[in-house]
Amino acid sequence: AQSVAQPEDQVNVAEGNPLTVKCTYSVSGNPYLFWYVQYPNRGLQFLLKYITGDNLVKGSYGFEAEFNKSQTSFHLKKPSALVSDSALYFCAVIVAGYSSASKIIFGSGTRLSIRP
Amino acid sequence: DSGVTQTPKHLITATGQRVTLRCSPRSGDLSVYWYQQSLDQGLQFLIQYYNGEERAKGNILERFSAQQFPDLHSELNLSSLELGDSALYFCASSEGLAGLSEQFFGPGTRLTVL
Repeated sequence: AQSVAQPEDQVNVAEGNPLTVKCTYSVSGNPYLFWYVQYPNRGLQFLLKYITGDNLVKGSYGFEAEFNKSQTSFHLKKPSALVSDSALYFCAVIVAGYSSASKIIFGSGTRLSIRP
Repeated sequence: DSGVTQTPKHLITATGQRVTLRCSPRSGDLSVYWYQQSLDQGLQFLIQYYNGEERAKGNILERFSAQQFPDLHSELNLSSLELGDSALYFCASSEGLAGLSEQFFGPGTRLTVL
């Protein structure tokens, strides 16, 4: 079955330290992977995506993610965390259909808390 | 501001009732997606429409239905409401069909079923 896992419900990091939010996936075929962020009382906002090409993807707000095919992972990273990065982060995978309609599966979300 | 609008922001209703949630996509986007976010189920994809046609279905209950109109706005109809339908319902839009472009999410409609 196609799935996405975010093994940590919560990640706590001190401001200025590097952060990592983990995501692993299980899909048949090529994975198309996304990260979204949700601030309180807001809809989700796109951060970055991996479709093909370079395994290191750079996105908004200084975030990046590394696609690792052998470990089936797509971890979100930032070299230096800001208090304003505190939010709920979702990993997602698109399954099937490059040129046709496809389904998106979201992970359970990881709450990132950055302490001053 | 994502450019996606949803109305109403809040909706409180009783079990057994029917409600309609409305979404206007970003200008130029042909795909509309509906999602349900609840504490126990997380974020669940419900359904996708592309240029007026249903194109993908997720975990949408038979009591729920949706449509996309010629002006590309979409409505999600929820009927025979149960307490467990209380959730935040998001609409998102994107340019293409395949979902490989980023989705722009609306602010959501918070549904409370009493």
